[in-house]
Amino acid sequence: GAVVSQHPSRVICKSGTSVKIECRSLDFQATTMFWYRQFPKQSLMLMATSNEGSKATYEQGVEKDKFLINHASLTLSTLTVTSAHPEDSSFYICSARSPGQGHEKLFFGSGTQLSVL
Amino acid sequence: AQKVTQAQTEISVVEKEDVTLDCVYETRDTTYYLFWYKQPPSGELVFLIRRNSFDEQNEISGRYSWNFQKSTSSFNFTITASQVVDSAVYFCALSLRFGNEKLTFGTGTRLTIIP
Repeated sequence: GAVVSQHPSRVICKSGTSVKIECRSLDFQATTMFWYRQFPKQSLMLMATSNEGSKATYEQGVEKDKFLINHASLTLSTLTVTSAHPEDSSFYICSARSPGQGHEKLFFGSGTQLSVL
Repeated sequence: AQKVTQAQTEISVVEKEDVTLDCVYETRDTTYYLFWYKQPPSGELVFLIRRNSFDEQNEISGRYSWNFQKSTSSFNFTITASQVVDSAVYFCALSLRFGNEKLTFGTGTRLTIIP
C-alpha cells in the first residue's frame, strides 16, 4: 500500500540552529501534505497544509517564518524549523493524501522527534 | 470549536482480555466524522475506522468493534481477546468535512498488552 516516509526520525540540535524534516510519498503523488505537531501527552495539532507549487496554509497561532514549508515536488514536502529553541522540542509528523477523497487515503509518516538543547 | 477527550492516558491488560478505549467528543455541528487511528512503536498513524454522524450503527471488524452513541457523544473502541501486537497508542479524532484533513485529535491512550 501507499507509504509516507519521514526523515529523520530523531534529531538533537543546539538552540539557534535550523532543522529540516523531509516527508516523502513513496508510491503516489501527493498534491497536498500536512504537518502536525505533538507535545508530550498532548494531542496532535495540525500546523499547516503544504500545497505543491504554492504557499503553505498555516493554522492560527503557527509562525510561518518559524516553520518554513516547501512542497517543491509532488512527492516531497519539507518542514524547516528555523532558529530552533527548546520550546520547539516536539514530535512532528507529516501526512499525505493519495488520490481520492476518503480519509483512509490519508497516510502518515513515522514522525520526527526534535530535541533542542 | 471541536474537542476530543480520551480520558484514559494509559491502560494495561493481560493478553486475551478485552479492553475498551473511551472517546468523548464535542462539536456544535450536526455533520461530522469520527476516527480511530493506531500509532505503533514505529510512529506512523494507521487508519482504523471512520464513522459519520448520521450512522450510529455499531461496527465490528474482526477483534475490533466500535460503539458510537450520539446521546452521550461517545465513540468507544473495544478490542476483544487482546494480543501483544495490539500494544500501541490509539487516537480518536474528529473532522467536520468528508475529505477534510483538519482532524482534531484526542490526546491518545497508550495501550499495553502484557503477555
